[in-house]
Amino acid sequence: GAVVSQHPSRVICKSGTSVKIECRSLDFQATTMFWYRQFPKQSLMLMATSNEGSKATYEQGVEKDKFLINHASLTLSTLTVTSAHPEDSSFYICRTGGQPNYGYTFGSGTRLTVV
Amino acid sequence: RKEVEQDPGPFNVPEGATVAFNCTYSNSASQSFFWYRQDCRKEPKLLMSVYSSGNEDGRFTAQLNRASQYISLLIRDSKLSDSATYLCVVAQGGKLIFGQGTELSVKP
Repeated sequence: GAVVSQHPSRVICKSGTSVKIECRSLDFQATTMFWYRQFPKQSLMLMATSNEGSKATYEQGVEKDKFLINHASLTLSTLTVTSAHPEDSSFYICRTGGQPNYGYTFGSGTRLTVV
Repeated sequence: RKEVEQDPGPFNVPEGATVAFNCTYSNSASQSFFWYRQDCRKEPKLLMSVYSSGNEDGRFTAQLNRASQYISLLIRDSKLSDSATYLCVVAQGGKLIFGQGTELSVKP
């Protein structure tokens, strides 16, 4: 099946710095990438949908200037958390669109800790 | 009201027990339904899709009742390796809506 490589798997950064998370589709062309955030003991919440070559669509309440998404090629989508704060500490995970009955392909997730 | 709501956990059961998880969804236009499994600090992995006719995969049985907007997952003869968080997931217009998950802990 489709493979999505996400990295880093874990990052600790200082408050005020920016962190870039990458998701690469290794064996197919990902025209769409979905980005989620998951706080402890909570569900995955969709942050934004990125489409190759166009602007991302953000969910209500997600600051587009804080969470920068770039999907410049069919194999790479990136999420940059700018001016990170401790409340941005979370599990960030990407997934591709796909064939529903075969499951959607998720990246392995990035655990961000802002200190 | 949450769009997808699951049983609050955690469920602590002995090996060999049968355990049932319940899930309800609010949008009657939802198109597809799934159970995913998520291990601690890992990505969700598809356990099974859920169909109106019900479907079974080994020890796992999933049911969907569209009229009641209700989804269930039954695990028989539970194993230690079944310990995880089980996510009820509903697809609406290409988007996946996740329940908050129900944690299962199977003890020896």
